Amino acid sequence: DIQMTQSPSSLSASVGDRVTITCRASQDISNYLAWYQQKPGKVPSLLIYAASTLQPGVPSRFRGGGSGTDFTLTISSLQPEDVATYYCQKYNSAPPLTFGGGTKVEIK
Amino acid sequence: EMQLVESGGGLVQPGGSLRLSCAASGFTFNGYWMTWVRQAPGKGLEWVANINQVGSEKNYVDSVKSRFTISRDNAKNLLYLQMNTVRVEDTAIYYCARERVMAGSDYWGQGTLVTVSS
Repeated sequence: DIQMTQSPSSLSASVGDRVTITCRASQDISNYLAWYQQKPGKVPSLLIYAASTLQPGVPSRFRGGGSGTDFTLTISSLQPEDVATYYCQKYNSAPPLTFGGGTKVEIK
Repeated sequence: EMQLVESGGGLVQPGGSLRLSCAASGFTFNGYWMTWVRQAPGKGLEWVANINQVGSEKNYVDSVKSRFTISRDNAKNLLYLQMNTVRVEDTAIYYCARERVMAGSDYWGQGTLVTVSS
């Protein structure tokens, strides 16, 4: 099975900072990667699919990149409402559709 | 309005059984893969199982294979997860979600809590 490894597991940054989260797949998954945001006590929501395509309604400060095995989620200017845990998920045709371990983002 | 509503969670003893349901509305249910994802208390997301539009293809994470069964009733717009021989480590919130082919899960239910304890 393909493993998904996120780093860091947590980070603290100031409002307005640029924040980058990485996700590494143990095998090539092309661009079959999604990013989800889960705010405290809430249901996960889809942010980005196909590694870099923003889900409608997601603010443009979120950007996804990468392909193959290395992917990034960047928040260009961190806002208080971005406090959440972020998960990557691979969804190429071979199950399981594994999630990364998550990255908790907090405001400094 | 698109909606997914899970039900059927509760307290169950180790070795017992439980059936979760997910009622879908506001979209063409039989046009989508559907998936179950769980989240143990204070832990991350774990994909559990998915099923294709007609129920002919089903996939499971290794830890639930042979114990859990995913199914669907397209006439009733219902998704199910039959959980047998449950273990303490199956304790989690179980979410159902709509899958878009090669595009992630775009709609999620509110979840139903399953607690496995004696």
